[in-house]
Amino acid sequence: EPEVTQTPSHQVTQMGQEVILRCVPISNHLYFYWYRQILGQKVEFLVSFYNNEISEKSEIFDDQFSVERPDGSNFTLKIRSTKLEDSAMYFCAGGGDKYEKLFFGSGTQLSVL
Amino acid sequence: GEDVEQSLFLSVREGDSSVINCTYTDSSSTYLYWYKQEPGAGLQLLTYIFSNMDMKQDQRLTVLLNKKDKHLSLRIADTQTGDSAIYFCAESFGNEKLTFGTGTRLTIIP
Repeated sequence: EPEVTQTPSHQVTQMGQEVILRCVPISNHLYFYWYRQILGQKVEFLVSFYNNEISEKSEIFDDQFSVERPDGSNFTLKIRSTKLEDSAMYFCAGGGDKYEKLFFGSGTQLSVL
Repeated sequence: GEDVEQSLFLSVREGDSSVINCTYTDSSSTYLYWYKQEPGAGLQLLTYIFSNMDMKQDQRLTVLLNKKDKHLSLRIADTQTGDSAIYFCAESFGNEKLTFGTGTRLTIIP
């Protein structure tokens, strides 16, 4: 079965540094998402992306965050200046037609020191 | 707004059936999902049900949906040690964002 692939699986960074989390969605998917899970908490929606633009974003997704689909296959989440509270597991997800179920990647564990 | 609630913990003897429950508030959801998360791992889609269905069975898994009561359950038959994990229910609206529950940690007693 096709998979959503995320790299790296673990990323450690210093506070204030920029990080880019990468995702390769399933090839025929059209809708893309980032979610995050802070340790011990719920999985939270960050942003949805369709037709090369953001379709919805949460309050968490402030000016420090950006998303891009630079080459039609990769889907990236950039955090410009990381904060300690950005430490979390970040999940990429994708879906095809409007009513199709979502598939998640295995996540990138981001640790900000 | 949407809210999805689950009990936090469930302990079950190996070989028994596990029933994990979930309640949600928004009746306009399109799909309801069950995800499994093992320690240190990502979210694994276990099964899902379209909102116009009442039940879905997939091998050891049975999903029941009571739309009137906004209640979703996941039954795992013949629970095994490998079923130990956190189970999240989630709902979505068309292809919009998912709203996740708090997760239920399932512990298997030998």
